[in-house]
Amino acid sequence: EAQVTQNPRYLITVTGKKLTVTCSQNMNHEYMSWYRQDPGLGLRQIYYSMNVEVTDKGDVPEGYKVSRKEKRNFPLILESPSPNQTSLYFCASSSPTGANYGYTFGSGTRLTVV
Amino acid sequence: GNSVTQMEGPVTLSEEAFLTINCTYTATGYPSLFWYVQYPGEGLQLLLKATKADDKGSNKGFEATYRKETTSFHLEKGSVQVSDSAVYFCALTHTGGFKTIFGAGTRLFVKA
Repeated sequence: EAQVTQNPRYLITVTGKKLTVTCSQNMNHEYMSWYRQDPGLGLRQIYYSMNVEVTDKGDVPEGYKVSRKEKRNFPLILESPSPNQTSLYFCASSSPTGANYGYTFGSGTRLTVV
Repeated sequence: GNSVTQMEGPVTLSEEAFLTINCTYTATGYPSLFWYVQYPGEGLQLLLKATKADDKGSNKGFEATYRKETTSFHLEKGSVQVSDSAVYFCALTHTGGFKTIFGAGTRLFVKA
């Protein structure tokens, strides 16, 4: 089954404790992206990657890092989480023609930073 | 810059009622337009799309027509069901690009 898999689904952590949210896709998609979803704000893009070793900032990159060492994986790293990063996070992927085919999303990771 | 504006929710309807969720956009050039649906506790799923003016996207009884003259992509369904209760997101992706901009989402409640 074609899918984007995120882990964990739920995470509660303390301020300043580094964490990584993993994302993996099995569709051989070149393009991957991270979004955060907050009430009333819709989805905002954090980082995206056009291919292996090619990443770039989205609209809200502060406090986040990413890496793309393999085509299938695109982890999101929070080096020093803060309470304002409490949110619902989604990973998404698409083929290079994402403008025509849309994106496949993971099931989400609900992060709470206390 | 590019933007997407959706009608605020929540929208509450009775089963078998007609649904319209308004979406308007601002963009240069010719973007592709999408509707995504998010069921409780799940990620977004692509519902339908349109890639050029006057195209009509349709899926599962939902329809939306790409209206360049009014910069709109309103979502419609003739007869909603309780199972349609979800959050609906309008989105655009600029032609040739990858960046997708989402609206704030509209929550739909359908009562039996």
